[in-house]
Amino acid sequence: EAQVTQNPRYLITVTGKKLTVTCSQNMNHEYMSWYRQDPGLGLRQIYYSMNVEVTDKGDVPEGYKVSRKEKRNFPLILESPSPNQTSLYFCASSLRSRGLAYEQYFGPGTRLTVT
Amino acid sequence: DAKTTQPPSMDCAEGRAANLPCNHSTISGNEYVYWYRQIHSQGPQYIIHGLKNNETNEMASLIITEDRKSSTLILPHATLRDTAVYYCIVSRETGANNLFFGTGTRLTVIP
Repeated sequence: EAQVTQNPRYLITVTGKKLTVTCSQNMNHEYMSWYRQDPGLGLRQIYYSMNVEVTDKGDVPEGYKVSRKEKRNFPLILESPSPNQTSLYFCASSLRSRGLAYEQYFGPGTRLTVT
Repeated sequence: DAKTTQPPSMDCAEGRAANLPCNHSTISGNEYVYWYRQIHSQGPQYIIHGLKNNETNEMASLIITEDRKSSTLILPHATLRDTAVYYCIVSRETGANNLFFGTGTRLTVIP
C-alpha cells in the first residue's frame, strides 16, 4: 500500500531534549516536506527536499533541522525543543502528475508536546 | 502565490451535492487551483486540481470560471464521511511543493 509513515505518532518531551521524528514514503517520490499545524494558523511548511541531499527552508524553519540521505526517508530533527514547538506535525511527499502540478500525500501526523 | 478566500463553514444535507466556493481573484496564468481536505486531525488528503478546464475524478468535480478568478468544488452526493475542512489552494507548478493551507471551509454533512 502506497503511504507516508511517521513515527512517533505522539510524543511528550521536555525543553532541550533532542528528538527526531521520522518520515518514510514508499512511493519513490522525489519531493518531501514537513509542515506544522497550529490552531488558527493552518499548515505552514518547515522544510522541504527536492531530492536526495537537496533540502531547503520553508516558511518556519527556525529551531528545526532535516536531512535527506535516502530518497524514502526525511527525518525532522529538533536539536533543543522549546514549548513553542508544541504542535501537530505532518510529513508529505509529492508526486509529479499531469500538467507538471504536484499532488501531495500526507502522513498521519505526529502530535508533539514540549513542556 | 495568489491567496484564496473561502467561507469559514458550510452545512450540507446527506445525499445532496455539496458546492464549496473559492475566490482567487489575483490568480496568475501559470497558477493551478488545488483542493485538499482534512478530516479531524488526520493528514490532509488531495482531492483534485486544475488549471483552466473543469476537472472530474472519482471524488469530486472542479469548476473553474472562465476568468479563473473563482472556482467551485462539487461533491456530488455528500456522505457523513465527507465532513471535513476543505482547503482551496492556488500555487505555481514550481511552488506546488509548498502549498499555503489557510483556514479553509469546515463542511458539516447533516444526516
